Amino acid sequence: DAGVIQSPRHEVTEMGQEVTLRCKPISGHDYLFWYRQTMMRGLELLIYFNNNVPIDDSGMPEDRFSAKMPNASFSTLKIQPSEPRDSAVYFCASRYRGRITEAFFGQGTRLTVV
Amino acid sequence: GQQVMQIPQYQHVQEGEDFTTYCNSSTTLSNIQWYKQRPGGHPVFLIQLVKSGEVKKQKRLTFQFGEAKKNSSLHITATQTTDVGTYFCAGNNNNDMRFGAGTRLTVKP
Repeated sequence: DAGVIQSPRHEVTEMGQEVTLRCKPISGHDYLFWYRQTMMRGLELLIYFNNNVPIDDSGMPEDRFSAKMPNASFSTLKIQPSEPRDSAVYFCASRYRGRITEAFFGQGTRLTVV
Repeated sequence: GQQVMQIPQYQHVQEGEDFTTYCNSSTTLSNIQWYKQRPGGHPVFLIQLVKSGEVKKQKRLTFQFGEAKKNSSLHITATQTTDVGTYFCAGNNNNDMRFGAGTRLTVKP
């Protein structure tokens, strides 16, 4: 397996534009997490899914953020409209529900909103 | 909700010195994990602790889980330049996974 795949790796967009981040989890994993990393706030859990169902979205900053997981192999995180304070690295991670619940992270998407 | 606090935020050591980072949760955890993120990289799993009072070692790294399963520590003996990076703890409870802010370690050769 190629691991967790995120796209794009880098995104630069203008304030007010819609941004969509994509994630392909490891095949067979039934948990998927979206995190946002900034120097000020560290790694923040935004939302996580279990078997494609959103379980906890309490970390989503505001209504401008939305996430979907239409099937077991794909998830999106959308920001509409984007703002400069959304600039961060966004990580997707997946894991299998088992005794050793190691999470595997994607390479991340570095988002810059100007 | 569950919060995970980690200190210190930064640590700069001379090569050969020891390093420790501490993690505290506001709630009892089912397990705790540690991850390392190299500069420019993504977090990579190091270890998981499950039992109260558990201690595990990986070469120069020693991981401990508190008796109350609310705190943990990572200790590195005789740091090397290859240890640089940010170390995160991640508290697991009810299947969500919340990370501490991380401790950024720099090592002066």
